[in-house]
Amino acid sequence: GENVEQHPSTLSVQEGDSAVIKCTYSDSASNYFPWYKQELGKRPQLIIDIRSNVGEKKDQRIAVTLNKTAKHFSLHITETQPEDSAVYFCAANVDFGNEKLTFGTGTRLTIIP
Amino acid sequence: DVKVTQSSRYLVKRTGEKVFLECVQDMDHENMFWYRQDPGLGLRLIYFSYDVKMKEKGDIPEGYSVSREKKERFSLILESASTNQTSMYLCASSLLGTSEGNEQFFGPGTRLTVL
Repeated sequence: GENVEQHPSTLSVQEGDSAVIKCTYSDSASNYFPWYKQELGKRPQLIIDIRSNVGEKKDQRIAVTLNKTAKHFSLHITETQPEDSAVYFCAANVDFGNEKLTFGTGTRLTIIP
Repeated sequence: DVKVTQSSRYLVKRTGEKVFLECVQDMDHENMFWYRQDPGLGLRLIYFSYDVKMKEKGDIPEGYSVSREKKERFSLILESASTNQTSMYLCASSLLGTSEGNEQFFGPGTRLTVL
């Protein structure tokens, strides 16, 4: 089955700086790569996703890049703010038409004021 | 606005008890999922269902079963609870997509402690 590795497990960034979280996946058939954010005590929520026919997608201060050849994708957060502090999960979906996701182990991002 | 609810936020059970965790979604989603979340291990899929009475094993189904008698409700059952099943349990739902992937909407979670 699919295996998703996520790094780093913890990340501290000065407010205003950028943060990058990286994920690799094992199954070359994977075709959908979402990112979820989970604030303390809250439920995970989708913040951005990318599909296999796109190399990069941006939404305001967050962006995701995908390299299918290398089987890795990354989340980039620019101009970080205190409300960006959370746990971030990457995921990959391998079955076409089947929404089963394999999640990474998460990155705890802390923004230092 | 999608709403996914879970029957309990906190639950304490004893070893050997049969435990039922209930999840209800109100957006007519075909897919429903049960995950457990443990520190350092992320979200691991226990079971999922893409239709009423249909179920498929996820990555860690041992010790669990599920039931989906109605489209809006997906139940997770611990037949005989054990201490290693102490965890946060998250339910999620999504539409059955025709293209690659659809957003999963999560419930608030049930923190289960097995003594």
